[in-house]
Amino acid sequence: DAGVTQSPTHLIKTRGQQVTLRCSPKSGHDTVSWYQQALGQGPQFIFQYYEEEERQRGNFPDRFSGHQFPNYSSELNVNALLLGDSALYLCASSKDRVGGEQYFGPGTRLTVT
Amino acid sequence: GENVEQHPSTLSVQEGDSAVIKCTYSDSASNYFPWYKQELGKRPQLIIDIRSNVGEKKDQRIAVTLNKTAKHFSLHITETQPEDSAVYFCAAYSGGYQKVTFGTGTKLQVIP
Repeated sequence: DAGVTQSPTHLIKTRGQQVTLRCSPKSGHDTVSWYQQALGQGPQFIFQYYEEEERQRGNFPDRFSGHQFPNYSSELNVNALLLGDSALYLCASSKDRVGGEQYFGPGTRLTVT
Repeated sequence: GENVEQHPSTLSVQEGDSAVIKCTYSDSASNYFPWYKQELGKRPQLIIDIRSNVGEKKDQRIAVTLNKTAKHFSLHITETQPEDSAVYFCAAYSGGYQKVTFGTGTKLQVIP
């Protein structure tokens, strides 16, 4: 049984570019949440997807958008990249209404130069 | 919105001693409080959690306590081992487990 997977593992982009990160949830999970973790900080909640819709959103600008597909996998898109967007992007999946227990993926390390 | 404060930011203990990490939260509607362990370069892993209808939960050497009135919860690790060295994050969930706020993390070092 595969856990949460993310791709790519590492990514280097230039300021102003756009990036798409991908996440496949743990088998049996239907809810996907995305987090941004800057070096030395705790994960910051970006948004959560359930039934292909954004259900909750943290304090992130509209440059951050996402999508959830019918198979529950999800994408995180970031437009007009800034240097400050450099971080580890974590995806976490859970089974809705099962107490919020989340399983994290290995993350995508994004570097913006 | 929710604000979670975590203390201390770093903690060094001798192997075999106990370690305590404390978090406070601001949103009285928060009702689920997990603790995650994150080793260097790895993903956060859930180690223990507690819900708002429980005051204490224990799992072998790890325990969590919750004081809803004071809005704080703590992680207790007894008989620490070198493999306990990692960064520990607390988190608070509200809005039907949909909205989560993490603490800033505690770097625990267990000295052999």
